Amino acid sequence: GIQVEQSPPDLILQEGANSTLRCNFSDSVNNLQWFHQNPWGQLINLFYIPSGTKQNGRLSATTVATERYSLLYISSSQTTDSGVYFCAVEHDAGGTSYGKLTFGQGTILTVHP
Amino acid sequence: DAGVIQSPRHEVTEMGQEVTLRCKPISGHDYLFWYRQTMMRGLELLIYFNNNVPIDDSGMPEDRFSAKMPNASFSTLKIQPSEPRDSAVYFCASRRTGAYEQYFGPGTRLTVT
Repeated sequence: GIQVEQSPPDLILQEGANSTLRCNFSDSVNNLQWFHQNPWGQLINLFYIPSGTKQNGRLSATTVATERYSLLYISSSQTTDSGVYFCAVEHDAGGTSYGKLTFGQGTILTVHP
Repeated sequence: DAGVIQSPRHEVTEMGQEVTLRCKPISGHDYLFWYRQTMMRGLELLIYFNNNVPIDDSGMPEDRFSAKMPNASFSTLKIQPSEPRDSAVYFCASRRTGAYEQYFGPGTRLTVT
């Protein structure tokens, strides 16, 4: 099956710092989502971004599908950004979506005040 | 619109007991997914349904696990008999045909003693 690797595994920041999280995947995808799992365990959708660039407030994401990676940028980090960030992909099986997301192991982000 | 609803939020049971987890997908979503999250294995897909029909149950760990979707607004995941290694957070997610984003419920934290 498709492999998903996220880096770094852990990241510690001071409030106000910027950061970049990376997701590498081993095959073509028709679905790539970034999630934030907050300290209460809730998985929150951040971006659906199989290709291109999107921005939402202090967060932005870029996926370069031809090179099989995606980046999540967090600017001016806040303590509420703490948690685990997951990248999840669905293998592109000839244009048919089967809905099977494969998750990376996540990046644990801690933002100190 | 309400998000994905799961119940119970926490379940503590003794080894050998039957456990039933419940999920109500977002209205209008015709795909429903069950995931399990553990420290060792991360987030893994157990089974998913399309239009109430199980499509892929290859992630179900063993025969002790079963899932049903009797109608478009309700699904159950049952473990019988439960074992301590089943302790995990179980998530339900849903999406609609034509859209790739999956939306997750708050999860059920299961502890089997």
